[in-house]
Amino acid sequence: ETGVTQSPTHLIKTRGQQVTLRCSSQSGHNTVSWYQQALGQGPQFIFQYYREEENGRGNFPPRFSGLQFPNYSSELNVNALELDDSALYLCASSFGSSSEKLFFGSGTQLSVL
Amino acid sequence: GESVGLHLPTLSVQEGDNSIINCAYSNSASDYFIWYKQESGKGPQFIIDIRSNMDKRQGQRVTVLLNKTVKHLSLQIAATQPGDSAVYFCAETLPSNFGNEKLTFGTGTRLTIIP
Repeated sequence: ETGVTQSPTHLIKTRGQQVTLRCSSQSGHNTVSWYQQALGQGPQFIFQYYREEENGRGNFPPRFSGLQFPNYSSELNVNALELDDSALYLCASSFGSSSEKLFFGSGTQLSVL
Repeated sequence: GESVGLHLPTLSVQEGDNSIINCAYSNSASDYFIWYKQESGKGPQFIIDIRSNMDKRQGQRVTVLLNKTVKHLSLQIAATQPGDSAVYFCAETLPSNFGNEKLTFGTGTRLTIIP
């Protein structure tokens, strides 16, 4: 176990709805990165939060947004859900903003109907 | 542009044999590479990494080889065990002055160990 916990584990939403996914980072880690993993694909970088600020963003539209809290936990929010948003959403924590030593959670499986 | 790909989507290996998983990358500026293992229902798990100033690195039963001339990365797993069955991803990062070194993952190779 990595110490990174995500909730919920599974979620079903309908098109147009909004969703919030949560992540608790490993103790001592101050950086959280979010990835989207479509079925049969590798994870795709969404964004990273470091010291409560967005610190890099992948090719995702603005309806994907996030927060990081003083305890370094994080939320991923997706507005106006689309069918293609169905995927496994992975949270990874690390110390510092480098991608070395990323520890991933088990993910939230989101299904959009 | 950035892209990380794999030559084969699936690989079956007899238990006890060695396995080799290959990965090609296109960006010669990438300076850090990582292999991850992902089991069903779990997030990616770090296996081994290598920097671009090295061509080989060994861990416990695993070896990563980097050939910068042909932009090729491989993961060798020795004496495979049933627990090695999983999807394996290679990932790369570009150097960044801002510290936000995102990982770019390949599609993955499903390794199946045959008892």
